Amino acid sequence: AQTVTQSQPEMSVQEAETVTLSCTYDTSESDYYLFWYKQPPSRQMILVIRQEAYKQQNATENRFSVNFQKAAKSFSLKISDSQLGDAAMYFCAYHAGGTSYGKLTFGQGTILTVHP
Amino acid sequence: DAGVTQSPTHLIKTRGQQVTLRCSPKSGHDTVSWYQQALGQGPQFIFQYYEEEERQRGNFPDRFSGHQYPNYSSELNVNALLLGDSALYLCASSLSQWGYTFGSGTRLTVV
Repeated sequence: AQTVTQSQPEMSVQEAETVTLSCTYDTSESDYYLFWYKQPPSRQMILVIRQEAYKQQNATENRFSVNFQKAAKSFSLKISDSQLGDAAMYFCAYHAGGTSYGKLTFGQGTILTVHP
Repeated sequence: DAGVTQSPTHLIKTRGQQVTLRCSPKSGHDTVSWYQQALGQGPQFIFQYYEEEERQRGNFPDRFSGHQYPNYSSELNVNALLLGDSALYLCASSLSQWGYTFGSGTRLTVV
């Protein structure tokens, strides 16, 4: 079974600084997708960034970028120029590829606090 | 374009009762998944519906059941509620394996 582990229950960052959230996963599959989701107090899960495992290039989305290390099964999220609106719970998630359906397996989450 | 709509927003039930939660998917999406999120934890997959059939199921007891209607909307039913069923229930709709859109959830409290 696939597992996703986020070892940092809480992280904090000063506004305008950079922070990195860690995620490791375990799978025997070669085809899969990885995601970072943000969950603010409004509770809605918002997609931040996704990475296809077959792509060697790390995904970037404006201030958000990932460091995808497939051999190490590591998938960290870097937030540059942090803003107050980035404060939320962040979840790393895994989805098996090869089929058009399936489930997301989430990590335990990391609470990010942004200090002004 | 409306996103995923869940109702009700909050719900309080008594142990042993039954509850029905509802989800309207994003326009154009044909697949609905349900997740249970305990306080301070990551969401856990309950099941997924496609073409009115349960396509995949997580590790949840049979007390958890669902339904999908021809318009793709979905219901999650939980029978014989336990205190441990208290959680945020999230619905996600999709058209492909990475195009998930989540609703804001239903907060269920069992007393």
